[in-house]
Amino acid sequence: SAVISQKPSRDICQRGTSLTIQCQVDSQVTMMFWYRQQPGQSLTLIATANQGSEATYESGFVIDKFPISRPNLTFSTLTVSNMSPEDSSIYLCSVEVAGGVYEQYFGPGTRLTVT
Amino acid sequence: LAKTTQPISMDSYEGQEVNITCSHNNIATNDYITWYQQFPSQGPRFIIQGYKTKVTNEVASLFIPADRKSSTLSLPRVSLSDTAVYYCLVGPLNSGNTPLVFGKGTRLSVIA
Repeated sequence: SAVISQKPSRDICQRGTSLTIQCQVDSQVTMMFWYRQQPGQSLTLIATANQGSEATYESGFVIDKFPISRPNLTFSTLTVSNMSPEDSSIYLCSVEVAGGVYEQYFGPGTRLTVT
Repeated sequence: LAKTTQPISMDSYEGQEVNITCSHNNIATNDYITWYQQFPSQGPRFIIQGYKTKVTNEVASLFIPADRKSSTLSLPRVSLSDTAVYYCLVGPLNSGNTPLVFGKGTRLSVIA
């Protein structure tokens, strides 16, 4: 299993500013994943972060808007840059851990409101 | 990844058995069926996974017919705390490098 913590749990930010979300895992993992969940919607994958290399972004997400760092095997950050109200969402980090069944574990999420 | 179709929402009274069916007509031979549950203000959590026939754990049962083109998540005797969104996902087991792709899910509301 994996226990994931995220900081901050929520924030209210002004448009045009940036927010960095931290994700900490209690075990070493190769890949970390970042998702966005807009109000009332399902989860959308933003990017996959591998330690020691640049993140891989999904269609519709770019590094300039959502820069990601992955300095070690237990930690990652996602920055939401130059925010607008459309960025108001819950941002979740996630890891996959192999056991008898491959399970993906999610952090509690960061609720971002942009005014 | 196989496309999945599941009801948008369901309502149930406490104590009833709830069955949520997911269609996945294009499931591949090496695909598994996995269900996740998401409570409000929390990240999704794994419930159950299966390949064929029936799988049961302490939370739910998963029924998969022989053709594997659909699956049914069964929640016995639901309580108010089972109110959540349930996601059906279909894809191969992997080494931890491939993230899950979520569909719309089924929003289950349990009523007292």
